[in-house]
Amino acid sequence: RKEVEQDPGPFNVPEGATVAFNCTYSNSASQSFFWYRQDCRKEPKLLMSVYSSGNEDGRFTAQLNRASQYISLLIRDSKLSDSATYLCVVNESNDYKLSFGAGTTVTVRA
Amino acid sequence: DADVTQTPRNRITKTGKRIMLECSQTKGHDRMYWYRQDPGLGLQLIYYSFDVKDINKGEISDGYSVSRQAQAKFSLSLESAIPNQTALYFCATSAGTATTDTQYFGPGTRLTVL
Repeated sequence: RKEVEQDPGPFNVPEGATVAFNCTYSNSASQSFFWYRQDCRKEPKLLMSVYSSGNEDGRFTAQLNRASQYISLLIRDSKLSDSATYLCVVNESNDYKLSFGAGTTVTVRA
Repeated sequence: DADVTQTPRNRITKTGKRIMLECSQTKGHDRMYWYRQDPGLGLQLIYYSFDVKDINKGEISDGYSVSRQAQAKFSLSLESAIPNQTALYFCATSAGTATTDTQYFGPGTRLTVL
């Protein structure tokens, strides 16, 4: 069983739409959570950390549900430039090693 | 200039050949990592190093070795390449606390083993 699981998508949405997707993690002791963005064939880059109280960064909102062991990412007012693969990343044991999901692909169309 | 660089960017080699992938960073970070990425799979950790004298195996270290020549340099070797080592390889660095750690990735090396 994978430690971090994501719906691979793709999620195809029109510009201006809202898109949301989840990621589940198996280790209830996981300490910290992140969303990374990866453009096609390029390196992953940190999009945002996910805090227990939920957090927002512009059009992006991340939520953590520890009871059900999932995190979510919501993108409002989608732009063409939001087209990418979004990687769910979990630090399971507070030891500087990260577990990566396989990614959720979002395609925003004009 | 990029903070984390990898060479080569693309490499095609044959089964049984030895190959080295190199990573350099100018971020001054102590922690460095090597990952591979295969289609449909998450990044898998091959090796990681928390300083020059500390090197650890990741989840898929078989068939790989590493060398931390300096704080800024961390190289990955495939002693005898095999086709299922065809993948996209990323080097990364980090320096934060465990809860706030951000990993910074190099641009990747696309390796094909024939």
